[in-house]
Amino acid sequence: DAKTTQPPSMDCAEGRAANLPCNHSTISGNEYVYWYRQIHSQGPQYIIHGLKNNETNEMASLIITEDRKSSTLILPHATLRDTAVYYCIVRVLDTGNQFYFGTGTSLTVIP
Amino acid sequence: SAVISQKPSRDICQRGTSLTIQCQVDSQVTMMFWYRQQPGQSLTLIATANQGSEATYESGFVIDKFPISRPNLTFSTLTVSNMSPEDSSIYLCSAQGDGGTEAFFGQGTRLTVV
Repeated sequence: DAKTTQPPSMDCAEGRAANLPCNHSTISGNEYVYWYRQIHSQGPQYIIHGLKNNETNEMASLIITEDRKSSTLILPHATLRDTAVYYCIVRVLDTGNQFYFGTGTSLTVIP
Repeated sequence: SAVISQKPSRDICQRGTSLTIQCQVDSQVTMMFWYRQQPGQSLTLIATANQGSEATYESGFVIDKFPISRPNLTFSTLTVSNMSPEDSSIYLCSAQGDGGTEAFFGQGTRLTVV
């Protein structure tokens, strides 16, 4: 079951940083925070995941608060191709553990 | 990473008929899953496709309506049986490798029941 809360929609100007928040106040100690995105008419795409330390890859940065009750996905320089629905998921990292999707945030990057 | 191919990519079916969706992964994977995404909605997990045994269904989904096969570590099928217009959705296949770090998704099958 989804255990996260995200704003339903956000706008971001092209070239600016997009900061997508996620609340997961009931997260367990062994649950990771995952982010996926779904561009229209495509399957979800993995972005990043983390446990408690901040993480960065070629797509985005993930900032997790010290109490782990919330996190922020940062797209440093949003482009029009980043327009998508972004899903924050908490999950125990283990083979066979399912990904349960919440309602996500629809991000629109504006020219 | 794994590349997942689904067939068909889309179909229009008559109510009362059945459609089988195929999911092929380009490498052996430990786990495979099937999701449904109704129009304008998020993804809902239907079931876990277990290799060599019966699938494990989520609450609200039953084997008679959504029979699933997984004959080997790279292939699975989902059948949508006795379809009604309410079954019009996108059906997505997902796979995880060893360690379960991340899941990969196919592009989905867009089903319209008329």
